[in-house]
Amino acid sequence: DAGVIQSPRHEVTEMGQEVTLRCKPISGHNSLFWYRQTMMRGLELLIYFNNNVPIDDSGMPEDRFSAKMPNASFSTLKIQPSEPRDSAVYFCASSLPGRSYNEQFFGPGTRLTVL
Amino acid sequence: SQELEQSPQSLIVQEGKNLTINCTSSKTLYGLYWYKQKYGEGLIFLMMLQKGGEEKSHEKITAKLDEKKQQSSLHITASQPSHAGIYLCGADAQGAQKLVFGQGTRLTINP
Repeated sequence: DAGVIQSPRHEVTEMGQEVTLRCKPISGHNSLFWYRQTMMRGLELLIYFNNNVPIDDSGMPEDRFSAKMPNASFSTLKIQPSEPRDSAVYFCASSLPGRSYNEQFFGPGTRLTVL
Repeated sequence: SQELEQSPQSLIVQEGKNLTINCTSSKTLYGLYWYKQKYGEGLIFLMMLQKGGEEKSHEKITAKLDEKKQQSSLHITASQPSHAGIYLCGADAQGAQKLVFGQGTRLTINP
C-alpha cells in the first residue's frame, strides 16, 4: 500500500492567496484527520471525518479554513485568504473503523509558508 | 480538557545508552499512544496502552502505563542512531474519537 498521500509537499504563497491541500487516505480506512503542527502549539487536530462526514471541526481556527471529503478516497483542506500565521506543517491521517480508530497512519505532511 | 506534558523536552544521549521519556496526563488515561516522528516526515505509530500496569515492547522500545493511568513512560534500551527523532504521546480525548498530543520529546543520539 502506498500509505497516506498528501500534495503538495511544499507550498509557498503570498498573504491573501487561496491555498488548497490535498489528501488521499489509505484504501479501506474510513476515518480521516487533518492536523496542523507548529513549534509554538505542537500538533493540533483541526477536523476529522468518519465515512466522509465531518464529525468534529472544533479545531478549525476560523472561517478562513474549510475542509471537504467528497468521497472515501479524497479530502481537501482550503485556506482562503491565507495569512502568515497559517505557516505550518499540515498533516493528514487515516485510520480503520472500530477500536483501531486512533491508531492513525500519517501522511508526510505539507509544509506551508505564507509570505 | 485533557493535557499531556512530556519530559524531557529534548534529550541527547550517547549511542548504546538507555533512556526514558515520560508523559503525564492531567486526567485519567483511557488510551495512550506513542508515536515517533522523523524530521520532515509524518508520525509513525509505535504502541498503544489501555490498561493500568500494561507494558508493551517493540524491538528495543518498551512503553508502560502506570497503575493509576495518569502517566506513561517510554524506555529505549541500547539506543541507536535510528532511534533519533521526536517522540509524541497521544491520549484518547474522553468521549470523542480523537487524540490530544503532548508537545513531543526531541531525541538525539550521538555516535
